[in-house]
Amino acid sequence: DAKTTQPNSMESNEEEPVHLPCNHSTISGTDYIHWYRQLPSQGPEYVIHGLTSNVNNRMASLAIAEDRKSSTLILHRATLRDAAVYYCILRRLGGAQKLVFGQGTRLTINP
Amino acid sequence: SQTIHQWPATLVQPVGSPLSLECTVEGTSNPNLYWYRQAAGRGLQLLFYSVGIGQISSEVPQNLSASRPQDRQFILSSKKLLLSDSGFYLCAWSVLLIRNLEAFFGQGTRLTVV
Repeated sequence: DAKTTQPNSMESNEEEPVHLPCNHSTISGTDYIHWYRQLPSQGPEYVIHGLTSNVNNRMASLAIAEDRKSSTLILHRATLRDAAVYYCILRRLGGAQKLVFGQGTRLTINP
Repeated sequence: SQTIHQWPATLVQPVGSPLSLECTVEGTSNPNLYWYRQAAGRGLQLLFYSVGIGQISSEVPQNLSASRPQDRQFILSSKKLLLSDSGFYLCAWSVLLIRNLEAFFGQGTRLTVV
């Protein structure tokens, strides 16, 4: 499974944008970039995914580098409820489509 | 709509006792099913996954086993629990559709082995 690298922790202020980086230099052509987040004492929650093009949904935006070796999850206006551990995961199309979690980035939002 | 049920929510079991955690999915057919464990303060570790009835793949050797007796039922078991089996156990499902690659997680079972 291709590996991702994320900062252990990040901090931001409420109502400001947050950019969460992820490096995945060994990504292959069939790997989708997924982001999940986990709030305390809950199961992970899907945030967004993409393959090559930037993606937007109601929760966040995903910016993917042209060479696909890195990506950035963008929370446009952070709220206190966005405080969570954010996981960047590569998920290969086909087979079991395993989701292998790394350590993620613990995001703290200051009021 | 699809839902995933996982129970119990919390469990305290003595060392050496058996374990059975059940996960069921509603509203979809032939899902991929997964069991994860999260030890206190640690990341999520994939334990087992299944692509069909009776098909189980183990990711790490351990004191646990999994079974899938029905299409939408996934069971995690142990014959004799160890202290190190304590953790937060999560079941998840996804379907093999290119345009629908999300995985959905249950609310988890917090297991404490004493």
